Amino acid sequence: DAGVIQSPRHEVTEMGQEVTLRCKPISGHNSLFWYRQTMMRGLELLIYFNNNVPIDDSGMPEDRFSAKMPNASFSTLKIQPSEPRDSAVYFCASRTGLANTGELFFGEGSRLTVL
Amino acid sequence: SQQGEEDPQALSIQEGENATMNCSYKTSINNLQWYRQNSGRGLVHLILIRSNEREKHSGRLRVTLDTSKKSSSLLITASRAADTASYFCATTIIQGAQKLVFGQGTRLTINP
Repeated sequence: DAGVIQSPRHEVTEMGQEVTLRCKPISGHNSLFWYRQTMMRGLELLIYFNNNVPIDDSGMPEDRFSAKMPNASFSTLKIQPSEPRDSAVYFCASRTGLANTGELFFGEGSRLTVL
Repeated sequence: SQQGEEDPQALSIQEGENATMNCSYKTSINNLQWYRQNSGRGLVHLILIRSNEREKHSGRLRVTLDTSKKSSSLLITASRAADTASYFCATTIIQGAQKLVFGQGTRLTINP
């Protein structure tokens, strides 16, 4: 299995630009999570989906952030417009949807730098 | 605020020694998991312990859970240079919601 695939691995952009991060979960996994990791705040859960439906987006920092999961094999996290404080590593993770159990499988992350 | 808090934030030991990391959490949990992250990489699951379990082993890893103290520990025995990484505890805090909340992590360095 290829694992969770994220793209791009690195993104450098200027403030105000739109950023789209992509994730392909492991086939058969029906829960998908987006996390953001910074030195100051650690790993923050932004949003997670179950069966392509957003379950909890309370971690999404502001309206500039949006996430979609149009089908079971693809999800996007969009930031528009981007700001320097959005610079972080964004991780996508997936797992089977067993309630309250189950390890998360992480992608390698997308490192975003907003200048 | 973070659900889990790891202690210490950083740990440096000699190869062959045992490494112990602790995690405290605030609210009742269904399970607690430990993950490892090598520099520049994604997190990798190590072990899961359920709230009704007190101890679990996997190879050189030993995890304990004390729900009365809301704490867990991860012991790595006979450490190797390849164990150098950051280690995170994560808790599932709300039954049915499947949210997994991570602590700040312990950065472990094993010196050859």
